[in-house]
Amino acid sequence: QKEVEQDPGPLSVPEGAIVSLNCTYSNSAFQYFMWYRQYSRKGPELLMYTYSSGNKEDGRFTAQVDKSSKYISLFIRDSQPSDSATYLCALYSGSARQLTFGSGTQLTVLP
Amino acid sequence: DTAVSQTPKYLVTQMGNDKSIKCEQNLGHDTMYWYKQDSKKFLKIMFSYNNKELIINETVPNRFSPKSPDKAHLNLHINSLELGDSAVYFCASSQVEAGGSAFFGQGTRLTVV
Repeated sequence: QKEVEQDPGPLSVPEGAIVSLNCTYSNSAFQYFMWYRQYSRKGPELLMYTYSSGNKEDGRFTAQVDKSSKYISLFIRDSQPSDSATYLCALYSGSARQLTFGSGTQLTVLP
Repeated sequence: DTAVSQTPKYLVTQMGNDKSIKCEQNLGHDTMYWYKQDSKKFLKIMFSYNNKELIINETVPNRFSPKSPDKAHLNLHINSLELGDSAVYFCASSQVEAGGSAFFGQGTRLTVV
């Protein structure tokens, strides 16, 4: 079993839709939870960062963490064609000093 | 004023050759990484250096050798390149106190022919 599981998609939605992206993990040592966005032929860029259970909102993006269920989500409201990218969840263990990525979900927002 | 820069951006080379990829960060971070991204977009850590000290050395062939001359630089040298080494290699940096949030370079697309 992989430490971090993410549905690879691809996911295709119409413009304006609400998008839900999810990851599950197995290692309780993960303390910090991130979402990265990667455009084609670019490096991943940090989108959202949180360390506690609950919701964190930034504009159209909401990151949700449920440590008891070992489940993290990213919601995108009013999705735009410019949101089309691969989204990767990433989890950090301070003890291992290691950032572990999910396999990424490819999202396409159709105009 | 690029935060994490790596060179070259593209590298096409023949099997058996030796090549190096260079990485520099100007963020003052204390930790640098090399990741390999395969054709399915899976990002797998290869090495992690903290203050020039090797912290993580995942199961990669010993043909891959990282070298950190100082905190701001982490280079990757690959000997005897094989077809399976073709991938995109990303350098990244982070600050330990920042909970691991890493900044990535633009990637080096390596093609072995």
